[in-house]
Amino acid sequence: GQQVMQIPQYQHVQEGEDFTTYCNSSTTLSNIQWYKQRPGGHPVFLIQLVKSGEVKKQKRLTFQFGEAKKNSSLHITATQTTDVGTYFCAGSYNQGGKLIFGQGTELSVKP
Amino acid sequence: DGGITQSPKYLFRKEGQNVTLSCEQNLNHDAMYWYRQDPGQGLRLIYYSQIVNDFQKGDIAEGYSVSREKKESFPLTVTSAQKNPTAFYLCASSQSSYEQYFGPGTRLTVT
Repeated sequence: GQQVMQIPQYQHVQEGEDFTTYCNSSTTLSNIQWYKQRPGGHPVFLIQLVKSGEVKKQKRLTFQFGEAKKNSSLHITATQTTDVGTYFCAGSYNQGGKLIFGQGTELSVKP
Repeated sequence: DGGITQSPKYLFRKEGQNVTLSCEQNLNHDAMYWYRQDPGQGLRLIYYSQIVNDFQKGDIAEGYSVSREKKESFPLTVTSAQKNPTAFYLCASSQSSYEQYFGPGTRLTVT
């Protein structure tokens, strides 16, 4: 079936270091969304990417959608302790279709 | 105050019993979803509904049932046929293919 693979599963960084998580699909996606789940919380929407090669920024967060619309990445510059949580990508294979979630990357930040 | 509510937050049941998890939204969203989250794993789709009185199976529907009699409500029943029911259950809603809004979740423990 359709799958979205996300790596790494865990990432431990020192505060101030950068962090990147990657998502990959074997087939072309219609769009991809990113969510953040704080420990003990529920996923919260961060952003949606739709266009091939799209890059969007939110302060220290940079989101990219690959040219072939099969991969995506989230990069955090100079991590802070408030960035702690699990980051999920979620892809859709057709407009209005259900989301397929990646396994998530759990980020821990050491002060 | 708009949003999604799930109740209860924690639920304990004996093996062999059916249990119904509540999900209510006042966002006027057409689509609603149920996900299951296990430790270290992403969100897996159980059932979803794109309109009242209609719903579709997700990737792991076996042992679960739903109803969508009202736009605002999408209850999930975990039946005794579900072999590993202990998990964190998340309900979400969305309008078209836009972001999904998640409820706070129900943590179900079956012993």
